[in-house]
Amino acid sequence: AQKVTQAQTEISVVEKEDVTLDCVYETRDTTYYLFWYKQPPSGELVFLIRRNSFDEQNEISGRYSWNFQKSTSSFNFTITASQVVDSAVYFCALSEAQGGSEKLVFGKGTKLTVNP
Amino acid sequence: AAGVIQSPRHLIKEKRETATLKCYPIPRHDTVYWYQQGPGQDPQFLISFYEKMQSDKGSIPDRFSAQQFSDYHSELNMSSLELGDSALYFCASSDGQGGFQQDTQYFGPGTRLTVL
Repeated sequence: AQKVTQAQTEISVVEKEDVTLDCVYETRDTTYYLFWYKQPPSGELVFLIRRNSFDEQNEISGRYSWNFQKSTSSFNFTITASQVVDSAVYFCALSEAQGGSEKLVFGKGTKLTVNP
Repeated sequence: AAGVIQSPRHLIKEKRETATLKCYPIPRHDTVYWYQQGPGQDPQFLISFYEKMQSDKGSIPDRFSAQQFSDYHSELNMSSLELGDSALYFCASSDGQGGFQQDTQYFGPGTRLTVL
């Protein structure tokens, strides 16, 4: 069965600090996809990144970077030089490619508060 | 770029009433997903449709039904509403690519349902 664990329920940092959000997943499939979504206080779910299980390259997009390690089943997300606008709940999600189901299984989310 | 449209954005109903939520996917997206997010919870998958056929079903109550129409929009019908149905309901769409590859799910702004 699929499972996503985000052990950090809440994180609070001061602006300009770096912060890493942890995500550990479980799946029996060899082909799967991992996602990060951001949910700001306004409530919408904003797509940040998608990674497939065959691509272990780390990715950087501006102040955001992602570290995918299959050996530890982790897909961690780092925000460099955090800003107040980064305050949101961040969800890690998993989707298995086999079996015809593409549903997303979400972690419980990490609430990030960036204080000025 | 066009996004997923959901209507209404807010809905207030009494117990035992019915509600209909509508979702208009991104143009050329043929797959629609419905998720329910309770307060302080992660989104939970309800049901999905690919090319107007139900493709997967999650923990959707029997009181709920959904369909995808010929123009690819989808409707979630909820009957005999209960207090516990109060939640944020998200619709997401993706380009199913014939079901051979998981594409990114883009979420609508959600419909906030309050059952009194």
